[in-house]
Amino acid sequence: GDSVTQMEGPVTLSEEAFLTINCTYTATGYPSLFWYVQYPGEGLQLLLKATKADDKGSNKGFEATYRKETTSFHLEKGSVQVSDSAVYFCGLDTGRRALTFGSGTRLQVQP
Amino acid sequence: DTAVSQTPKYLVTQMGNDKSIKCEQNLGHDTMYWYKQDSKKFLKIMFSYNNKELIINETVPNRFSPKSPDKAHLNLHINSLELGDSAVYFCASSQELGDQPQHFGDGTRLSIL
Repeated sequence: GDSVTQMEGPVTLSEEAFLTINCTYTATGYPSLFWYVQYPGEGLQLLLKATKADDKGSNKGFEATYRKETTSFHLEKGSVQVSDSAVYFCGLDTGRRALTFGSGTRLQVQP
Repeated sequence: DTAVSQTPKYLVTQMGNDKSIKCEQNLGHDTMYWYKQDSKKFLKIMFSYNNKELIINETVPNRFSPKSPDKAHLNLHINSLELGDSAVYFCASSQELGDQPQHFGDGTRLSIL
């Protein structure tokens, strides 16, 4: 079945550090890929998405590129801020009309 | 204005009880979902409804029964609560089935004593 694997957290970084959160997936067909973010006490919000191979999704300084050859969708940001502290979920949609999420990676950014 | 609202935010109850969680969306969306997030943060789809019709019903015990009185509401009723039901339950909605983004509520944290 469909599945998403994310690196375990927490990931602790200092402000302005470079961020990478790894995400790989297993799916039949050609899924759309997403990153959602969950700030403390809130629901998930879509951060960025990519719908086909080699697409790059970007938002708020975050980027992720759909790599079909490595079945990956790693999240990156060049310079994190304290306000980026949250839980990040990688997800995919194979057209089953619901998302399959990874287990989430908690990011803690220290001033 | 809260787009997707769930009540209650916290629910603490004893094993064996029956409880309901309510969800309402004011976005005019046709599709609503229930997700369960367990203690390890895994987030899994439970149900989805499109225009009050059940579309997705994952492998969920039949103690869980969703009810959609209209397309703006999707309530979750749970009978005979068990310890393993402790989790955060998220409601979400999207314009149409399969659309992104999905808009999530803030979650209901259910704790079973």
